[in-house]
Amino acid sequence: SAVISQKPSRDICQRGTSLTIQCQVDSQVTMMFWYRQQPGQSLTLIATANQGSEATYESGFVIDKFPISRPNLTFSTLTVSNMSPEDSSIYLCSVATVSTDTQYFGPGTRLTVL
Amino acid sequence: EDKVVQSPLSLVVHEGDTVTLNCSYEVTNFRSLLWYKQEKKAPTFLFMLTSSGIEKKSGRLSSILDKKELSSILNITATQTGDSAIYLCAASGGSNYKLTFGKGTLLTVNP
Repeated sequence: SAVISQKPSRDICQRGTSLTIQCQVDSQVTMMFWYRQQPGQSLTLIATANQGSEATYESGFVIDKFPISRPNLTFSTLTVSNMSPEDSSIYLCSVATVSTDTQYFGPGTRLTVL
Repeated sequence: EDKVVQSPLSLVVHEGDTVTLNCSYEVTNFRSLLWYKQEKKAPTFLFMLTSSGIEKKSGRLSSILDKKELSSILNITATQTGDSAIYLCAASGGSNYKLTFGKGTLLTVNP
């Protein structure tokens, strides 16, 4: 399976600021996804990152709050904008190839908003 | 709306016990059922089950898919303290390869 890295691993931010999370894969993959895991909750899909075009957002998530870039097949960023304490979560990127449903997850970013 | 339900939500056992974790799903155009283990932040992949592969086994872990009952079980035999984790079940369907996750089962294995 692909080796996935995420930066930063964790961060503590002030409300009203923005944080950009990076996801890097060591091989080209077809699909990249961004998930949020709020404390005590399961994983919720934020969006599918599309290479060279706008991300596809799930219900309840909007581009202004969670802008996503995917300039190539190995890299994506998620920005959490105008943060509030409710954005405190683990943010995870995952990757998959089109020939399988199996998604592999990056190590995650633990975000705390004060 | 797609839905995945896991039970129990938490479970405490002693080393050496055998556990069974349950997962039921309602997913449009169901394709696959996946199990993950989450210890800290990142879920790690365990199994994927499809209509062409309804039973998987790896060491002490095994999983079965019941397509008639729209459910799956994950069995762990001779549990060890290192098995302590959250076990997540996810289902995929449709053409967009999205996964819908259950809330997970928190397994605690005491020595």
